[in-house]
Amino acid sequence: ILNVEQSPQSLHVQEGDSTNFTCSFPSSNFYALHWYRWETAKSPEALFVMTLNGDEKKKGRISATLNTKEGYSYLYIKGSQPEDSATYLCAFLDDYKLSFGAGTTVTVRA
Amino acid sequence: DADVTQTPRNRITKTGKRIMLECSQTKGHDRMYWYRQDPGLGLRLIYYSFDVKDINKGEISDGYSVSRQAQAKFSLSLESAIPNQTALYFCATSGVGDTQYFGPGTRLTVL
Repeated sequence: ILNVEQSPQSLHVQEGDSTNFTCSFPSSNFYALHWYRWETAKSPEALFVMTLNGDEKKKGRISATLNTKEGYSYLYIKGSQPEDSATYLCAFLDDYKLSFGAGTTVTVRA
Repeated sequence: DADVTQTPRNRITKTGKRIMLECSQTKGHDRMYWYRQDPGLGLRLIYYSFDVKDINKGEISDGYSVSRQAQAKFSLSLESAIPNQTALYFCATSGVGDTQYFGPGTRLTVL
């Protein structure tokens, strides 16, 4: 069982504000880190797959960075909108299996 | 049509009953997974299968069994359900690139 931790557990953001949150994971034997977005009453959907130290990925207003040497990844939301409200899960890939963090639940207030 | 489907979507059962959750996929992926999600916890892996002849236990396999009937079908069984198996269950598939594609989930309540 790999220890993948996300913080904070939840956060509230005013519409238009930017925010970020963290995923920490084992820094040894790194293969890939995944980010998933999970909206209420839906199933998790992939946002990013990150494999290289220093990787930066972007999808619209959401971006992520990766530091494999120290074992952390940040996910950023710029100019938050109500539709960004969701739980964001990170997952560490090990031997084709994912170990998930508990998620950061983002609520964007209009 | 959805690429990964799960049936039933909701199920209420009683302690001691046998129950089967089914998963089908049309993505042509070899790898399939069953997870459960509990409030405050991440998705935890129950069982996974890398092809029809390959079945592996995950992090929390006790009390569960699986069957891979075909490349497209992967079923999860609870032989004798107990209340602490009340949870949201997800099936997922993956192919080249390792991105996982999730089904809509099955909400199971064991009374």
